[in-house]
Amino acid sequence: KQEVTQIPAALSVPEGENLVLNCSFTDSAIYNLQWFRQDPGKGLTSLLLIQSSQREQTSGRLNASLDKSSGRSTLYIAASQPGDSATYLCAVAKNKLVFGAGTILRVKS
Amino acid sequence: DAGVIQSPRHEVTEMGQEVTLRCKPISGHNSLFWYRQTMMRGLELLIYFNNNVPIDDSGMPEDRFSAKMPNASFSTLKIQPSEPRDSAVYFCASSESDREETQYFGPGTRLLVL
Repeated sequence: KQEVTQIPAALSVPEGENLVLNCSFTDSAIYNLQWFRQDPGKGLTSLLLIQSSQREQTSGRLNASLDKSSGRSTLYIAASQPGDSATYLCAVAKNKLVFGAGTILRVKS
Repeated sequence: DAGVIQSPRHEVTEMGQEVTLRCKPISGHNSLFWYRQTMMRGLELLIYFNNNVPIDDSGMPEDRFSAKMPNASFSTLKIQPSEPRDSAVYFCASSESDREETQYFGPGTRLLVL
């Protein structure tokens, strides 16, 4: 059974810092890995999707990497802003999406 | 496009009552997913439709839960009878073709069963 773990569970940083969120998964036989953002009381917004054959994807200040063999992914956020404050979830796709519990990020102004 | 639309946004009901949650996927998307989110269990897939056909309902917790997709633009998730432990946020999501593609989530229905 696929298990997805995200570390840290919560993170508070001052504005402008670069930060890394971590995701690990137990079964490396995946189709892709996706990073989502969830704002309080809202649905999930897809940020990045990395296919199993890819090593990384970038969108603006976000960069996600994937090391399928070791079962790890990282989401790098450059020059963090208060508007980045949200919960970030990673999910791995095989027969279905399996989600981690998320990292709650707070960027202080 | 308006995105995935869910209704109602909030539902408060009493134990034993029937609850029906509704979802309109993004036009042209062929796959639809129902998820449940709780503090204890996180986000869990309940059921997945492709081309209006249920493909995987292994996440449906018990017979009190049922889901239908009568056409490509509408789906319902029904709980009958509801119990307090069903209290959660229920999300609907859709994707263009299958479960491995980017999924677009609706705003969710926050359900409270008293």
